Amino acid sequence: QSALTQPRSVSGSPGQSVTISCTGTSSDVGSYNYVSWYQQHPGKAPKLILFDVNKRPSGVPDRFSGSKSGNTASLTISGLQAEDEADYYCCSYAGSYTWVFGGGTKLTVL
Amino acid sequence: EVQLVESGGGSVQPGGSLRLSCAASGFTFSDYWMHWVRQGPGKGLVWVARLTSDGTGTSYADSVKDRFTISRDNAKKTLYLQMNSLRVEDTAVYYCVRDARYSPDQWGQGTLVTVSS
Repeated sequence: QSALTQPRSVSGSPGQSVTISCTGTSSDVGSYNYVSWYQQHPGKAPKLILFDVNKRPSGVPDRFSGSKSGNTASLTISGLQAEDEADYYCCSYAGSYTWVFGGGTKLTVL
Repeated sequence: EVQLVESGGGSVQPGGSLRLSCAASGFTFSDYWMHWVRQGPGKGLVWVARLTSDGTGTSYADSVKDRFTISRDNAKKTLYLQMNSLRVEDTAVYYCVRDARYSPDQWGQGTLVTVSS
């Protein structure tokens, strides 16, 4: 499977909103509503922030939201905060009980 | 609290073998499918292997098929990854990951595998 496509980097100022895209194919993102997003700070394990496209685990602020259209999913972070600076990865179920991840996006809070 | 603790990483020469372990606690381990995901230095996440809750069904990424074997011991609440014929490109942090109905939810802290001559 090929990795999902994410922008290498995005940036925004505190209080602003940013959107990170995640483009796959009709075999993964386009076929299943099982897209999840992860936040990873340097040297740390990934942390789940969204699953099933737009559902938040308990404890994740509602500043994080998700959507999907066709083969592209998106993560929007509103009201940017300094602690949001991290790498973000999308993941999609790809059939046959396998997963495919995006290449990752580095979010810089200016 | 859910905890996944990996161990067994280290340095090995190309062609060598390593066995990773992942000790689970804080949830009913035998109810969950489990996976291994790796992250090369400065690179993104890559799915490696998956195992059903009863240990009978497996899937592997093409890059590790026939070299890696995922297994589990539900009595010991432990997941394993036997890695043979290791290559330089297998160098990565290996994460043990719980499957929450088609998506990864809980991750261990990872264990570093370095393959180098």
